[in-house]
Amino acid sequence: AQSVTQPDIHITVSEGASLELRCNYSYGATPYLFWYVQSPGQGLQLLLKYFSGDTLVQGIKGFEAEFKRSQSSFNLRKPSVHWSDAAEYFCAVGPGINTGTASKLTFGTGTRLQVTL
Amino acid sequence: GAGVSQSPSNKVTEKGKDVELRCDPISGHTALYWYRQSLGQGLEFLIYFQGNSAPDKSGLPSDRFSAERTGGSVSTLTIQRTQQEDSAVYLCASSLFGAPFTDTQYFGPGTRLTVL
Repeated sequence: AQSVTQPDIHITVSEGASLELRCNYSYGATPYLFWYVQSPGQGLQLLLKYFSGDTLVQGIKGFEAEFKRSQSSFNLRKPSVHWSDAAEYFCAVGPGINTGTASKLTFGTGTRLQVTL
Repeated sequence: GAGVSQSPSNKVTEKGKDVELRCDPISGHTALYWYRQSLGQGLEFLIYFQGNSAPDKSGLPSDRFSAERTGGSVSTLTIQRTQQEDSAVYLCASSLFGAPFTDTQYFGPGTRLTVL
């Protein structure tokens, strides 16, 4: 069964500092990987996704993530955090193409980001 | 267009009552998903629709939970005889294709259900 681990429940960074949120997955084949952000009272917004190809993917709002197969990781990074980035971040994994199974996502438990001024 | 919409945004009900939660997916999206987000449990998959059929209901927690989709569009999640443990935010998502593709899922704002 597929699973996702986000080891950091809560992270606090200063505005302007760099950010890295960790995500490790367990999946028997090449996964499709996603990062979503959820602001208070809002639904989930897709930040970026990895399906195949270049292992460094760029997303919205200046975020990027790197797929490392050898480490089963898909960490999210941002060079300089803004106060508006304070939110909860979810990593998710889905089955790859042609599995014949429903493409439901398995989510990590989330990392809450606090940004101090 | 518009994104995924859900109604109501908030629902407070008494234990034992039935509730219906509605999801309007993005127009043209064939796949629709329901997830539940509760404290301490994270985001859990409930059910997946491809068109009007539900090939994967594996996440429904009990037979008190059911869902339907009509016209390949609107979906309703029904919880019968609600219990306090049903309190959560229920999120709906839609995607263009669904299985066997894992395409991007777009989420609605959710319905916050509180069972007293």
